Amino acid sequence: GAVVSQHPSRVICKSGTSVKIECRSLDFQATTMFWYRQFPKQSLMLMATSNEGSKATYEQGVEKDKFLINHASLTLSTLTVTSAHPEDSSFYICSARWTSGYNEQFFGPGTRLTVL
Amino acid sequence: GQNIDQPTEMTATEGAIVQINCTYQTSGFNGLFWYQQHAGEAPTFLSYNVLDGLEEKGRFSSFLSRSKGYSYLLLKELQMKDSASYLCAAMDSNYQLIWGAGTKLIIKP
Repeated sequence: GAVVSQHPSRVICKSGTSVKIECRSLDFQATTMFWYRQFPKQSLMLMATSNEGSKATYEQGVEKDKFLINHASLTLSTLTVTSAHPEDSSFYICSARWTSGYNEQFFGPGTRLTVL
Repeated sequence: GQNIDQPTEMTATEGAIVQINCTYQTSGFNGLFWYQQHAGEAPTFLSYNVLDGLEEKGRFSSFLSRSKGYSYLLLKELQMKDSASYLCAAMDSNYQLIWGAGTKLIIKP
């Protein structure tokens, strides 16, 4: 199956700093990647849809200036949480859509962000 | 609007069978996905249905009725490792996944 990696898997940072999370499709090209956030005991919340070479499409209520998304290549998308605050602490998961299959999304392992 | 409904939590016994239901309402329809998510981990793909009927894959089967906007995931011969959340997601006309809140399945010995 398609493999998606995510780095780092866990990060702890101080309030006010910025954190970058990388999402890579390892064995396929992903024209579309998705960024989700999941708070404890809640379902996935789509933050934004990222298309290679174009600006990301953000969901309502997600601040695009705070969550910067760059999808510079067919195998890499990055999410930067700028000026992180404790309320940004969450599990961030990326997924990549494999258009050769059922259009299913393959998920990265997730990044647990803790902002002190 | 678009909506996915599935039970919040279910409990079953090891070795038994459990059926997790999901109803959906979407703008257009391009298939129904089931994902498994263990605590603290990312979701993993279980099944995809786009035509009516039952798809069997080992101990797991998934059913779809497009006319009823209904799907279920059937888990047989339950094992303790099946304890997880099961997420139902419908793909709309824009190929976007609309996610349910997930069903937490608790398996008891």
